[in-house]
This record gives sequence, structure tokens and C-alpha cells, in this order.
Amino acid sequence: GEDVEQSLFLSVREGDSSVINCTYTDSSSTYLYWYKQEPGAGLQLLTYIFSNMDMKQDQRLTVLLNKKDKHLSLRIADTQTGDSAIYFCAESSLYGNNRLAFGKGNQVVVIP
Amino acid sequence: DADVTQTPRNRITKTGKRIMLECSQTKGHDRMYWYRQDPGLGLRLIYYSFDVKDINKGEISDGYSVSRQAQAKFSLSLESAIPNQTALYFCATSDFGQGGTNTGELFFGEGSRLTVL
Repeated sequence: GEDVEQSLFLSVREGDSSVINCTYTDSSSTYLYWYKQEPGAGLQLLTYIFSNMDMKQDQRLTVLLNKKDKHLSLRIADTQTGDSAIYFCAESSLYGNNRLAFGKGNQVVVIP
Repeated sequence: DADVTQTPRNRITKTGKRIMLECSQTKGHDRMYWYRQDPGLGLRLIYYSFDVKDINKGEISDGYSVSRQAQAKFSLSLESAIPNQTALYFCATSDFGQGGTNTGELFFGEGSRLTVL
């Protein structure tokens, strides 16, 4: 079955790097995602990585995927106060029915 | 205007009452989903629909029902609300399987906060 695990809270100083980790269990995962939820808002896709990739970089964001260990991480460089949010990792399989399984979320608080 | 609109945004009700949460979308997506969010538990899937004739239970469908009135509309009902259904509810859509990038991205509404007393 699908199970996605995340730690719950991270505090970081403005300008430092943030790293959020996630583990998943479904070996048939095709896409893995990071969603961001700002206060009072819905989730928005931040970035995603296809399962045949090890790394994806998008401006301040770096996603690392260790498929052997089923471990996904998101690194935010030069963290800004606007990065304060809850971050969810999620996974889905193209061979299933695109039912995304979400982690419990990781709250990131950026201290000015 | 938002592409995925949920109404109401906030609702307080009493135990035993029937509640309907509505979702409409202008994205032309076939797939629609209802999730609930609880602190520390993340998002859990209640029901999902791949088109107006295809509705499926998610992991926590007990106590809920849904109706897909049209491609653009997907409503969630609580027939007899109970306090442990107090949560933040999200509707989402996806164009997976309709061509395009097919990354499976979900597009979320802004949420409906339901409190059952």
C-alpha cells in the first residue's frame, strides 16, 4: 500500500538553507511531488520529480530522490520569510489511478 | 476568479445535521477529488471521480457521500455530521489522462473549514 512519512516541524533562519525529508513505501511510484500550503490557502504544486531521475533543480529548489531507499528530499536555498508554509510530499503511480498519497506535512517557520 | 471554487469556506453546524460542501471548477478537468486535512495527519482521500459516471471511495469514505452533477461540479455530503468530522476539506482536480503533460498534478481549491459541535 501507499504510505508517505514526513517529520513535522522545521525552524530556519532567513538566508539559511532548509532541508525537508520524506520517505515513501510504494515502489511503483512514478512521480513524486512537493506541495506547499500557505496559511489559509489550498495546496499548490511546488515541484515534482519523475522516478527515473536522481535530482532536479529549479531555481532555489533542489529535489533529491533515492529510489533504493525510497527517500525524497527538498532543499530550499536562501530561505525567505515567504517560504514559511507547510510542505507536503506526495507520490503517485501512473500504473494505478493517479491517487496521490500525501505525507503528514512538514511545517517550516522562517525566522527573520 | 479561482479555477477551483469551494463553498462554503467556513461552516459551523451541530451534530446530526446534514451538510453539503460544493466544488466547482473551470479547468475542464475530468478528475475531481475530495480530501480532508487534520493537523498532524496530512491529507486523506475521501472520494474521487474520474468522470460523471465514475465515482470511487477513498481511504476514509465512511460517513460521507458524493455527487458528480456535471464535469465541473462535485459535491460532498455529510448525512449526519459528527464532531470527529470537524476538519478542513479540500476539493482538487486533475487532467491526468487527458493529454498534455500528464504529471498527475492536483489543483486545489482554497478549502472549506467545517466545525461540528
